[in-house]
Amino acid sequence: DTEVTQTPKHLVMGMTNKKSLKCEQHMGHRAMYWYKQKAKKPPELMFVYSYEKLSINESVPSRFSPECPNSSLLNLHLHALQPEDSALYLCASSQHPAAGGSNEQFFGPGTRLTVL
Amino acid sequence: LAKTTQPISMDSYEGQEVNITCSHNNIATNDYITWYQQFPSQGPRFIIQGYKTKVTNEVASLFIPADRKSSTLSLPRVSLSDTAVYYCLVAPISGYSTLTFGKGTMLLVSP
Repeated sequence: DTEVTQTPKHLVMGMTNKKSLKCEQHMGHRAMYWYKQKAKKPPELMFVYSYEKLSINESVPSRFSPECPNSSLLNLHLHALQPEDSALYLCASSQHPAAGGSNEQFFGPGTRLTVL
Repeated sequence: LAKTTQPISMDSYEGQEVNITCSHNNIATNDYITWYQQFPSQGPRFIIQGYKTKVTNEVASLFIPADRKSSTLSLPRVSLSDTAVYYCLVAPISGYSTLTFGKGTMLLVSP
């Protein structure tokens, strides 16, 4: 299984809502990532988890709260978002660099988020 | 992380070979060069990776000159389904590597 799955596919939320994005992989990867991609722009890294611990936070506002409950799951909790947070949110996973080999990242299809 | 520069867009026709060149003048000794492909509303997909000289797989070839300050992704005999954005990235393969995507090249293949 070389697939990263993300749910939901689409999400519309108001600025006062609380919602969560979910990402799952069963490739045994111990590095997982969240990216944000605005229309016609490249993906921008938000968070990196290494062995279920947050290792990189690219100065992301606190209204985005990541969580890695186990080695296969990655969540992104959303609260009090702004309309400018509307974007495609991508999850990715890779072998941990300490494991050696390629640093190829496997991306999920993304969640299209619209904040009203 | 080394910065990359690519053409913003390229046009081609079905059946032609397409070469997309990426410039990375300040590439570090331990950096590898990786190319990803992204279709609209999908996540990027790994195409090919190399360190020097030439690498070939079932979908593309990657040419890297001796100075490694640039690289060329070659797509043989493109089809309409190759229309996508292609990103060139450089990052170390060991240690903690995070991917910084440049602007990418939008390849449009026409019939």
